[in-house]
Amino acid sequence: KAGVTQTPRYLIKTRGQQVTLSCSPISGHRSVSWYQQTPGQGLQFLFEYFSETQRNKGNFPGRFSGRQFSNSRSEMNVSTLELGDSALYLCASSASGTSGGVSYNEQFFGPGTRLTVL
Amino acid sequence: AQSVTQLGSHVSVSEGALVLLRCNYSSSVPPYLFWYVQYPNQGLQLLLKYTSAATLVKGINGFEAEFKKSETSFHLTKPSAHMSDAAEYFCAVSSTGGFKTIFGAGTRLFVKA
Repeated sequence: KAGVTQTPRYLIKTRGQQVTLSCSPISGHRSVSWYQQTPGQGLQFLFEYFSETQRNKGNFPGRFSGRQFSNSRSEMNVSTLELGDSALYLCASSASGTSGGVSYNEQFFGPGTRLTVL
Repeated sequence: AQSVTQLGSHVSVSEGALVLLRCNYSSSVPPYLFWYVQYPNQGLQLLLKYTSAATLVKGINGFEAEFKKSETSFHLTKPSAHMSDAAEYFCAVSSTGGFKTIFGAGTRLFVKA
């Protein structure tokens, strides 16, 4: 089973530009979550999409947005980039349910996209 | 609101020594608890997770963690450290209602030869 794919792996932008990052989840997973990792703030939850709908949202400004397509692939967009947006952006592919009477909850992370804003 | 506190941003042990990384959580409902490891320039790899099936959880690479509800703790241990264990470790919590995972600040583990 293929893992979580994130593209591109590295990106350099300048202040004021916008950027779109992509995440392809594990086949069969319908939930995709996005996280921002910085040395100062650590790992912070951005948002989660499930079946093309935003199900959970973190405390980020409206410049950060996302969407999910019918094949569960997700994109996140950051508009009007600021220097502080430089970070590793991680995508997580997740699924939960019950199998054989036992509940499961699994989340797998992609390798991340390293965004540098100059 | 859920939160996770990892005690010690840096932990240093000698190769072969016990590894103990501390994590305390606050959650108003029975949580899912996780430990992840991150190697430089890589994503997060799941070490183990607690989902109420058993309080002692065994994970990959010889790691285990014990869920103690009375202490709201989920400390990570490994009996004998190996050089390859040097990495950053994150404790995390999530609850039902979707996948919104809250991470601790992380503990960087150094292993001395």
